[in-house]
Amino acid sequence: NAGVTQTPKFQVLKTGQSMTLQCAQDMNHEYMSWYRQDPGMGLRLIHYSVGAGITDQGEVPNGYNVSRSTTEDFPLRLLSAAPSQTSVYFCASRGTSGAYEQYFGPGTRLTVT
Amino acid sequence: AQKITQTQPGMFVQEKEAVTLDCTYDTSDQSYGLFWYKQPSSGEMIFLIYQGSYDEQNATEGRYSLNFQKARKSANLVISASQLGDSAMYFCAMREASSFMNSGYSTLTFGKGTMLLVSP
Repeated sequence: NAGVTQTPKFQVLKTGQSMTLQCAQDMNHEYMSWYRQDPGMGLRLIHYSVGAGITDQGEVPNGYNVSRSTTEDFPLRLLSAAPSQTSVYFCASRGTSGAYEQYFGPGTRLTVT
Repeated sequence: AQKITQTQPGMFVQEKEAVTLDCTYDTSDQSYGLFWYKQPSSGEMIFLIYQGSYDEQNATEGRYSLNFQKARKSANLVISASQLGDSAMYFCAMREASSFMNSGYSTLTFGKGTMLLVSP
């Protein structure tokens, strides 16, 4: 099993550009989440989804859009990149039963210049 | 107010010694859970241990144990017999139920982390 995969691993954007960070999981998990990690801040929740077609905002949603058309995929869209969005982005997934552990992807390091 | 507080930005320990990483939390929920994650320099988030608020015994996983003191709202991670490979950033996180769509989803709030360095 691949688990949670994220692409790309690294990305450099110019201010104002848009892009989509991809996240996919092969564990048939209903719950998926996006976090950003900034130095000294820990991880903060951007958006999450509790199933295909159902998403909600987390702690820091501004500047990001999500949609969930399939169970497997949960892309994160940056509409107009800003230097404040320079961060490491993690996608995570979890099943609806059993352990509460979230499985994290390897992360995407994004720099906005 | 911060929900998860890790007061130690950095900790040093010698190989083979035990070390305790502190974590205090704040919640009004009766049902919640505490996690510890390890993040080595390679960047991935590695799950270490979980403690539910109703679990009567402290969680243990190999060399990791969680010292859960509910009345004090603390969930400290104890690493016994430290190894050089334990050098990493360690994050405490808390799970709280979300009311969104009655889905059973739990939000996860992270602390700012503690950098652990293990010396030979």
